[in-house]
Amino acid sequence: DTEVTQTPKHLVMGMTNKKSLKCEQHMGHRAMYWYKQKAKKPPELMFVYSYEKLSINESVPSRFSPECPNSSLLNLHLHALQPEDSALYLCASSQPTGNEQYFGPGTRLTVT
Amino acid sequence: AQKVTQAQTEISVVEKEDVTLDCVYETRDTTYYLFWYKQPPSGELVFLIRRNSFDEQNEISGRYSWNFQKSTSSFNFTITASQVVDSAVYFCALSEPLRWNTDKLIFGTGTRLQVFP
Repeated sequence: DTEVTQTPKHLVMGMTNKKSLKCEQHMGHRAMYWYKQKAKKPPELMFVYSYEKLSINESVPSRFSPECPNSSLLNLHLHALQPEDSALYLCASSQPTGNEQYFGPGTRLTVT
Repeated sequence: AQKVTQAQTEISVVEKEDVTLDCVYETRDTTYYLFWYKQPPSGELVFLIRRNSFDEQNEISGRYSWNFQKSTSSFNFTITASQVVDSAVYFCALSEPLRWNTDKLIFGTGTRLQVFP
């Protein structure tokens, strides 16, 4: 099973809202990732978790707050977002370095 | 610095035509990994292939084939007898090792393939 699930599929939120994106994998992967993808652009790495610890933050604004409650779950908490944060947010997981990353279907976020 | 270049922004073909998507990469690492992903209109990135720098053998999987040439730093992808379902954006990627056994995928800008009936 190479499935990564993400909820919700679509999210519309106002700039004062607080919402969370969720990601789950049951492949036993110990590395999990959040990517942001704007229209007609490649995905850009935001955060990396390794063994449930945040290992990389690619200078992401603090209005994005990641959380890894356990080895299967990854959350992205959103607060006070801007319209330019509207994008497709992709979660991925992988085995240790050099292995392919498996992506979820993404959450299409619109900030109004 | 790591870099991936996909010079073809968009390609249009008619069904049953063969099509090759180009990928050129730059890296100073001697050990590295290359990938191809497919992104259909639904948005999910689908893993297609992984290749490490020590394995230059070409690979074929059904209608898909990949040509890895270290001498030209290229990792090209060919679809034989294309079908409408092949319509998608295809990304070539290079892994950049990070700490704690993780990687960052350096993506090319993608090639949008449209296959018309």
